[in-house]
Amino acid sequence: QVQLQESGPGLVKPSETLSLTCTVSGGSINGYHWNWIRQPPGKGLEWIGYIHYSGSTNYNPSLKSRVTISLDTSKKQFSLNLSSVTAADTAVYYCARWVFYGGHSDYFDYWGQGTLVTVSS
Amino acid sequence: EIVLTQSPGTLSLSPGERATLSCRASQSVSYNYLSWYQQKPGQAPRLLIYGASSRATSIPDRFSASGSGTDFTLTISRLEPEDFAVYYCQQYGSSPPITFGQGTRLEIK
Repeated sequence: QVQLQESGPGLVKPSETLSLTCTVSGGSINGYHWNWIRQPPGKGLEWIGYIHYSGSTNYNPSLKSRVTISLDTSKKQFSLNLSSVTAADTAVYYCARWVFYGGHSDYFDYWGQGTLVTVSS
Repeated sequence: EIVLTQSPGTLSLSPGERATLSCRASQSVSYNYLSWYQQKPGQAPRLLIYGASSRATSIPDRFSASGSGTDFTLTISRLEPEDFAVYYCQQYGSSPPITFGQGTRLEIK
């Protein structure tokens, strides 16, 4: 059974960098896209970006200037860095595995439990 | 950007009733790259439907979905108490490649 687990600080100061790591267990990194998705309190889901197991990335244009996602295949971990954070970045951050079958379907099949990150001084 | 608009925002029904949730896309969704998720308070979303109409593993057959192009529907034939939650649709397409609808809250009447 594939499991994803987010880790990182729960409190970040404004203008600093939010850094989270997702550890994958019970399955392979290969063949999938590894994503970060966030959800502000009481609001909907926002896709942040993904890294493919090959190392290629794709980011939400609304966050692209501040986001970096990296992958450490040896540790089966991928990470999110979000720079210059403000209170608007306060959210539950989820990591998730995205399955993409070109010409057929796509879906997020495994999610971490989420971690609340609060931006406050 | 493909914007997904879900309706209604909130749906109030009783157990045993039928629920119909709508997801409308601002542009045609290619290859039925449309999925549905259920989210309960304090939990991560759970995949229900992919490819517009295929049930994910272990999803009860009271959940069904249909649609293509710009109009998609999730139907829950007979509501069970555990079905009351928030439901999101999600699409893959043009930049940004992944977007979610704003959600439909299904509440007990």
